[in-house]
Amino acid sequence: DVKVTQSSRYLVKRTGEKVFLECVQDMDHENMFWYRQDPGLGLRLIYFSYDVKMKEKGDIPEGYSVSREKKERFSLILESASTNQTSMYLCASSRGGETQYFGPGTRLLVL
Amino acid sequence: SQQGEEDPQALSIQEGENATMNCSYKTSINNLQWYRQNSGRGLVHLILIRSNEREKHSGRLRVTLDTSKKSSSLLITASRAADTASYFCATGSAGTASKLTFGTGTRLQVTL
Repeated sequence: DVKVTQSSRYLVKRTGEKVFLECVQDMDHENMFWYRQDPGLGLRLIYFSYDVKMKEKGDIPEGYSVSREKKERFSLILESASTNQTSMYLCASSRGGETQYFGPGTRLLVL
Repeated sequence: SQQGEEDPQALSIQEGENATMNCSYKTSINNLQWYRQNSGRGLVHLILIRSNEREKHSGRLRVTLDTSKKSSSLLITASRAADTASYFCATGSAGTASKLTFGTGTRLQVTL
């Protein structure tokens, strides 16, 4: 079974802090994704990566950056957290352009 | 940008009834997928239908795709309380390889 894990289920940070969210997949997938999910807005793509050290902006990249130094790990970085980044963050991976496998999510609260 | 829009936003039915959810999208697609999300959890892939397919079945799930109307429907037959979840459609578009664009979801409540 594909397993996608995220470093934290719940996280509380203060405005201005630098926040790291980590995602690890164990199925050698080349593609990895970060989404945020907000009520009434569904899932919105922040960034994705199709190979090590490769990244592309999604629909809402502002205020975020990513890092993919190893194939199995994809990190989302909030350079200076703000209250409007309070959200559920979901990581996913896929092989090819089809089924995505999701992690359990990280619920981030920025105070 | 939201490609898929689900309808209805919320649906409440009794156990044993069928549940139908609809998804409309705007641009041409390679495939359309349906995912399920239990409260506060990650999404789980249910079924994928390609743009050249019209109908697909998986267990109690039936998905249809009408590319001329840019719409899809997900039918869950003989629903169970355990089917209570949010359901999302996601479209994979031609030329964008790996990306999926998700809709806003349908919240399904199945009561005993």
